[in-house]
Amino acid sequence: GENVEQHPSTLSVQEGDSAVIKCTYSDSASNYFPWYKQELGKGPQLIIDIRSNVGEKKDQRIAVTLNKTAKHFSLHITETQPEDSAVYFCAASRGTSYGKLTFGQGTILTVHP
Amino acid sequence: GAGVSQSPSNKVTEKGKDVELRCDPISGHTALYWYRQSLGQGLEFLIYFQGNSAPDKSGLPSDRFSAERTGGSVSTLTIQRTQQEDSAVYLCASSPNARPTNEKLFFGSGTQLSVL
Repeated sequence: GENVEQHPSTLSVQEGDSAVIKCTYSDSASNYFPWYKQELGKGPQLIIDIRSNVGEKKDQRIAVTLNKTAKHFSLHITETQPEDSAVYFCAASRGTSYGKLTFGQGTILTVHP
Repeated sequence: GAGVSQSPSNKVTEKGKDVELRCDPISGHTALYWYRQSLGQGLEFLIYFQGNSAPDKSGLPSDRFSAERTGGSVSTLTIQRTQQEDSAVYLCASSPNARPTNEKLFFGSGTQLSVL
């Protein structure tokens, strides 16, 4: 089955700096790659996603890039703010037509004011 | 309600007891999922419902785990004869049925289950 590896497990940055989280996947049939943000005591919330026919997608301060050949994808957060502090999860899906996702282990992002 | 609602938010039980966890999805979402989040781990898929049917229950860890959904809405996850390794946060999610949004999951806040 699919295996998703996520790095780093923890990331600490100063406010205003950029943050990058990387994931690799094993199943070449995977074609949908979402990123979720989980704040303390809450469920994960979808923040951005990308499909395999696209190499990059941006939404304000966040962007995701996908390299299908190398089977890795990354989340980029620019101009980080303290409210970006949370656990971020990447995930992959083989396009099953429903939300059966394989998640990475998560990255704890801390943005220091 | 506006979001996915789960109850209870916390459940402490003794080893060997049965527990029931409840999920109320977003109104109109036909797809419902249960995921499990163990301490320091990513989320693990358990089961998928489309309406009241469960076409994919491949993630249920053992026959002690079962789930049902009635009226195309509320779902319950039942764990029988709980074990300490069942301790985790159980997350419910729902999604619209129409592509391309059918893979976009809306999660509840979860039930923290502690088995003593």
